[in-house]
Amino acid sequence: TQLLEQSPQFLSIQEGENLTVYCNSSSVFSSLQWYRQEPGEGPVLLVTVVTGGEVKKLKRLTFQFGDARKDSSLHITAAQPGDTGLYLCAGAGSAGGTSYGKLTFGQGTILTVHP
Amino acid sequence: DAGITQSPRHKVTETGTPVTLRCHQTENHRYMYWYRQDPGHGLRLIHYSYGVKDTDKGEVSDGYSVSRSKTEDFLLTLESATSSQTSVYFCAISERQGGSLTGNSPLHFGNGTRLTVT
Repeated sequence: TQLLEQSPQFLSIQEGENLTVYCNSSSVFSSLQWYRQEPGEGPVLLVTVVTGGEVKKLKRLTFQFGDARKDSSLHITAAQPGDTGLYLCAGAGSAGGTSYGKLTFGQGTILTVHP
Repeated sequence: DAGITQSPRHKVTETGTPVTLRCHQTENHRYMYWYRQDPGHGLRLIHYSYGVKDTDKGEVSDGYSVSRSKTEDFLLTLESATSSQTSVYFCAISERQGGSLTGNSPLHFGNGTRLTVT
């Protein structure tokens, strides 16, 4: 069973601060996705990273996939109250297998950005 | 937004009763999934389907069964509900498995069913 350890579980910061969320595993993933979830709704995809060492930017959010494809990070610059939510990383099975699109999710990070 | 409807949105039931949750999609996607979400555990896969009448177990399948008789509908049944099955249940759909260049296609989630077993 592949596991994803996400940290920290809770993050409470002031508007304008920077933050990083980490997602780590001992397993290799063929790709990794980051989702954001708001109360009462399902998660929504932010980004997919596929190549080891890949960096993707989405406005103030920067996503990185580790060189060995075992870990990933999400960095938010100058956080805003609108960034508040639950952030989830999710890994897809290692290359070569038939995964049927299944994902393994981390435990999630609850981010609160105070005005 | 992907056309995914979960019903009911909220349900309270008693221990020992059977419960069926429904997921309906209008996207004609091949893959459908049932996840449960609990604090500290993220989302855990219960069952999934890779086509009509093609289903398989996920990591937390004990006490649950599923059926998919049509592309658009995926039912999750709690055969005899227990308090440990109190959770928020999410249905998700996916268009395709990923390739080596693009990764898995994203999961599109419904808005969840909050189930309380008393």
